[in-house]
Amino acid sequence: GAVVSQHPSRVICKSGTSVKIECRSLDFQATTMFWYRQFPKQSLMLMATSNEGSKATYEQGVEKDKFLINHASLTLSTLTVTSAHPEDSSFYICSAHSYGLRYNEQFFGPGTRLTVL
Amino acid sequence: LAKTTQPISMDSYEGQEVNITCSHNNIATNDYITWYQQFPSQGPRFIIQGYKTKVTNEVASLFIPADRKSSTLSLPRVSLSDTAVYYCLVGLTGTASKLTFGTGTRLQVTL
Repeated sequence: GAVVSQHPSRVICKSGTSVKIECRSLDFQATTMFWYRQFPKQSLMLMATSNEGSKATYEQGVEKDKFLINHASLTLSTLTVTSAHPEDSSFYICSAHSYGLRYNEQFFGPGTRLTVL
Repeated sequence: LAKTTQPISMDSYEGQEVNITCSHNNIATNDYITWYQQFPSQGPRFIIQGYKTKVTNEVASLFIPADRKSSTLSLPRVSLSDTAVYYCLVGLTGTASKLTFGTGTRLQVTL
């Protein structure tokens, strides 16, 4: 149980285009979802915290107009990278949290590799 | 959020026990200690969590001294498939509190 999926797993796009990444909790309702970014050989960096039905809370230095987060339901959150540029190329990972699950931990998705040409 | 310090990397041979220590000097009273494992191009995976003393599950043990300013993840008899990055995190459990990942420890297991 407690599976989180992401789609797509890999995406290649041209500079200037927008890319949407989906994060779904498959077998539980996630009250909170988190979005992380990870560059090669580096640790995960939290980008934003998203609660269902409310605006996301962005970490300092993360442009909210560039990284649009929508958490429309308890099982789905989306991250849209608008006007993507090569420096946005990274590994994007979401996680989901729900009260009542064992350990009350965050469950991570498999990640989405974004490459901007 | 309590900051954690871990060794950047460790090497081990297959079959050995590996102990990874994490320092968290300013851990708060309500904080739990959680360890995650991450393979390349995958999301982190929960390994173990504890508050004090010792916790053991099917994959690892977690040792936490009385002052809770450090913790040690113990992996018994590692195999090649345990090659990964291991993250120690400190924070509240039972809440949707954000996790702050440190540098992690890159464990390389060889034959």
